[in-house]
Amino acid sequence: EAGVAQSPRYKIIEKRQSVAFWCNPISGHATLYWYQQILGQGPKLLIQFQNNGVVDDSQLPKDRFSAERLKGVDSTLKIQPAKLEDSAVYLCASSLGPGQYQPQHFGDGTRLSIL
Amino acid sequence: GENVEQHPSTLSVQEGDSAVIKCTYSDSASNYFPWYKQELGKGPQLIIDIRSNVGEKKDQRIAVTLNKTAKHFSLHITETQPEDSAVYFCAAMDSNYQLIWGAGTKLIIKP
Repeated sequence: EAGVAQSPRYKIIEKRQSVAFWCNPISGHATLYWYQQILGQGPKLLIQFQNNGVVDDSQLPKDRFSAERLKGVDSTLKIQPAKLEDSAVYLCASSLGPGQYQPQHFGDGTRLSIL
Repeated sequence: GENVEQHPSTLSVQEGDSAVIKCTYSDSASNYFPWYKQELGKGPQLIIDIRSNVGEKKDQRIAVTLNKTAKHFSLHITETQPEDSAVYFCAAMDSNYQLIWGAGTKLIIKP
């Protein structure tokens, strides 16, 4: 079974520029998550999708971050404009569904550096 | 809301010895507790999980114990090997089915 695919692996941009990340979840997984992981910390949930609908985006800085999952499979996360504090690893995860006992499986993330 | 605390932040053990990482949680309604291993440059990898109706679960050299009364759970790794060196995260699933994460433990295996 193929895992969660993310691209690019690394991205370096200057502050105030825009950037986009792409995620392809495990086949058949209805739930998709985007996390932000700052160095030395655990992942922080940004947004959760169930199929192509948003379940929770309460921790997404909506003035600069946006995400979509138009066909209920792939997803993109965008930052515009980027700030220095956005330097982090952006992780995508997927699970069969949103319920209890559903393990989340992670991609290897995109490491974003803001200059 | 749920809060998860994890200790220690760094653990150094001799190869072949056992390692124990402990987590506490605050919400008694939490009922699913996964453990993840994260190697440098990789995403977190699920290594073992436990549901609240079970007190202990084993998978080869790895075991997890859960004490619902005390609201704590622990990861036990026996016969540690160099490839066990990584950062380990515990998590608890809250009532919204979202994972609340600990801060991580850096495990160092000394040869």
